[in-house]
Amino acid sequence: NAGVTQTPKFQVLKTGQSMTLQCAQDMNHEYMSWYRQDPGMGLRLIHYSVGAGITDQGEVPNGYNVSRSTTEDFPLRLLSAAPSQTSVYFCASSYSPGPRSTDTQYFGPGTRLTVL
Amino acid sequence: KQEVTQIPAALSVPEGENLVLNCSFTDSAIYNLQWFRQDPGKGLTSLLLIQSSQREQTSGRLNASLDKSSGRSTLYIAASQPGDSATYLCAVQPNDYKLSFGAGTTVTVRA
Repeated sequence: NAGVTQTPKFQVLKTGQSMTLQCAQDMNHEYMSWYRQDPGMGLRLIHYSVGAGITDQGEVPNGYNVSRSTTEDFPLRLLSAAPSQTSVYFCASSYSPGPRSTDTQYFGPGTRLTVL
Repeated sequence: KQEVTQIPAALSVPEGENLVLNCSFTDSAIYNLQWFRQDPGKGLTSLLLIQSSQREQTSGRLNASLDKSSGRSTLYIAASQPGDSATYLCAVQPNDYKLSFGAGTTVTVRA
């Protein structure tokens, strides 16, 4: 299994540009999520999905869109990039979507995004 | 809103010393608590998951305890090695799907 893969690893955007961060997993996990990690802060949840066709907002959803058309893929779209979105973005997945789940989450290697 | 705090932010110890990492959270209504390891430039790797009904979990040299009523968890790493150098993060799962993370403790084990 490749686990959770993310592309690209690095990206530089200009303010106002749009782009999509890709995330894929080959473990047949129902639950997928996107986090951002900023210096001195913990990871913050952007959006999550409990299955194909189902998405919901996390703690910091503004400026980002997601969709889940397949179990495997969960892309994150930046609509109009802003310098405040400079961060490292992590995608994660786990088998069970339930809040009582005992399944650990598997994280991708991250995408380092800089917005100028 | 759940707040998760990890103190200290950084820790440096000589090889062989036992490590004690602390995590505190403000809302005791959680379903589980997880400890993760993050190496520089890498993603997170799950170390231990403690369910709310449990007091501790052990894996090799790692032991994590949970005191839900006081909002605290401690990760113990016995006989530290240079390979243990990394950032350790704790995360709590409340009664929804939204994990709340602490900012992490960066550990350096000196050879």
